[in-house]
Amino acid sequence: KQEVTQIPAALSVPEGENLVLNCSFTDSAIYNLQWFRQDPGKGLTSLLLIQSSQREQTSGRLNASLDKSSGRSTLYIAASQPGDSATYLCAVRPRMDSNYQLIWGAGTKLIIKP
Amino acid sequence: DTEVTQTPKHLVMGMTNKKSLKCEQHMGHRAMYWYKQKAKKPPELMFVYSYEKLSINESVPSRFSPECPNSSLLNLHLHALQPEDSALYLCASSQPGGSSYNEQFFGPGTRLTVL
Repeated sequence: KQEVTQIPAALSVPEGENLVLNCSFTDSAIYNLQWFRQDPGKGLTSLLLIQSSQREQTSGRLNASLDKSSGRSTLYIAASQPGDSATYLCAVRPRMDSNYQLIWGAGTKLIIKP
Repeated sequence: DTEVTQTPKHLVMGMTNKKSLKCEQHMGHRAMYWYKQKAKKPPELMFVYSYEKLSINESVPSRFSPECPNSSLLNLHLHALQPEDSALYLCASSQPGGSSYNEQFFGPGTRLTVL
């Protein structure tokens, strides 16, 4: 059974720092992995999708990597800003018959201090 | 356009009321989803429609009734809800089927409070 873990559960850093959020999964049989951002009480914004054949994806100050063999993905945020404060969730789409399911991590709550 | 819209943004209802949540997307996606999210938890999948047909029902109580009138619209009809059903209800869409390209896009959600 696929399980997704995000550590740490919360992270507070000063503005301007580069930081890394971690996501690990137990089964490498996945179609893809998505990173989302969620502001309090709001919907989810898709940040990056990494296909199973890819090693990384970049969007602006964000870079996501994928290492299927070790069951790990990281989200790198460069030059953090207070506006980056949010909860970041990763989710994997398992390669299985019921292919609509996303298996979610519990999220990392990020606070960027001005 | 990568937008999924949901109405209303907020809804307060009594346990005897009947109400509906609405979701719309114009990305040409043929899979649409309803999720329920409680505070500080990840979303929980409720229903999936693929090509306007109900594909997955995650053992959701019958007081929640989904409907997919066409490929762009998804409704969730609510009746005789319980206070524990209070949550953020999220709609999402994607291309159907298993593929590494399938990316789910979410709407802003409806904050539901059941009194």
